[in-house]
Amino acid sequence: NAGVTQTPKFQVLKTGQSMTLQCAQDMNHEYMSWYRQDPGMGLRLIHYSVGAGITDQGEVPNGYNVSRSTTEDFPLRLLSAAPSQTSVYFCASSYSFRQGTLGYTFGSGTRLTVV
Amino acid sequence: AQSVAQPEDQVNVAEGNPLTVKCTYSVSGNPYLFWYVQYPNRGLQFLLKYITGDNLVKGSYGFEAEFNKSQTSFHLKKPSALVSDSALYFCAVSVLDNTGKLIFGQGTTLQVKP
Repeated sequence: NAGVTQTPKFQVLKTGQSMTLQCAQDMNHEYMSWYRQDPGMGLRLIHYSVGAGITDQGEVPNGYNVSRSTTEDFPLRLLSAAPSQTSVYFCASSYSFRQGTLGYTFGSGTRLTVV
Repeated sequence: AQSVAQPEDQVNVAEGNPLTVKCTYSVSGNPYLFWYVQYPNRGLQFLLKYITGDNLVKGSYGFEAEFNKSQTSFHLKKPSALVSDSALYFCAVSVLDNTGKLIFGQGTTLQVKP
């Protein structure tokens, strides 16, 4: 089924560990982005991409890295996990304005706990 | 800078009564506005969007929203609330800047009581 697939759904990390959150979409969307959700703060943009090979920082990029080698995949890397990165992470994708109209599809989320 | 404000952390309404969840925005350029709903421990579900055209937008589950350019608002409404509407609601805005960035409000918890 078409959509945005995020893995893993849950993860516990120790401070200082690194890991990659996976995000894949099969809708040929040009736009992809990562958000973190924290209570009372809504969703905040971490990094985004407007196409393969093009990424940029969002509102809260520190401690995270991204790459976009293909249209389908947009992994988020935590370089050295900190307790402040405990959050729920969502990946989203959308057609670009060039492709059509905006319509975002969100993954089911990754609940990350850093101890 | 773009921003979205949802002035109420929580809205309480009795089942069968009309509900309104408020949203105001600040953008430079034409706004593209969205409402999403999140049920506990779930992802975000799309409710409706305003891109252009009619200011009254109808969406999923009987929800609608009215775009008001002069008041820079995009309030979510439903004529008759259901207990099952209880959830966390997010307003979000994007602009025509070829980035696809969505800026979210902080969210409003809707509690519908029987």
